[in-house]
Amino acid sequence: GEDVEQSLFLSVREGDSSVINCTYTDSSSTYLYWYKQEPGAGLQLLTYIFSNMDMKQDQRLTVLLNKKDKHLSLRIADTQTGDSAIYFCAETAGGTSYGKLTFGQGTILTVHP
Amino acid sequence: DTAVSQTPKYLVTQMGNDKSIKCEQNLGHDTMYWYKQDSKKFLKIMFSYNNKELIINETVPNRFSPKSPDKAHLNLHINSLELGDSAVYFCASSWTGNTDTQYFGPGTRLTVL
Repeated sequence: GEDVEQSLFLSVREGDSSVINCTYTDSSSTYLYWYKQEPGAGLQLLTYIFSNMDMKQDQRLTVLLNKKDKHLSLRIADTQTGDSAIYFCAETAGGTSYGKLTFGQGTILTVHP
Repeated sequence: DTAVSQTPKYLVTQMGNDKSIKCEQNLGHDTMYWYKQDSKKFLKIMFSYNNKELIINETVPNRFSPKSPDKAHLNLHINSLELGDSAVYFCASSWTGNTDTQYFGPGTRLTVL
């Protein structure tokens, strides 16, 4: 079955870059997503990448995908205290899975001033 | 102009009661979902509906009954509530066949006493 794994904690200083890593097992994954959850709030879609891409950049966010190793990463440049949140990696096989998302357990990012 | 809305935001109830959570989306999407987030922040899909038809039912007890009166609404009714049902329930919606990108509601925190 599908499995998505993330490291649980990451702590960085304000202004540094943050890199959150994710591994997945489903080779039929079509889209991979990063969601952000702030305390007491819902999930906010940050970005997604299609499985035939290696990289996607969106302002301070860079997503890298190594399909051979089934490894996904999210880099946040110039990390700010407002970036402190839980970051979830998720994947879907698309097609007849009707968008069933399988989530990692989330990485708690703490940004220190 | 909220995209995906849920009511109520908080729900506190006694064991054995029956309760409902409502979800509405105004994005024109054709697929809606319910996810459960447990106390360790782990997110797991429960149901999905495509054009009012049940597509995914992930080994959820039959005390949970989703109902989709139309494409814009997906409600979740829970009978005979148990302590283990305490969690945050998220509704989401997407347009299948696109990137399956799902947009989440703010969540309903259910506490069963």
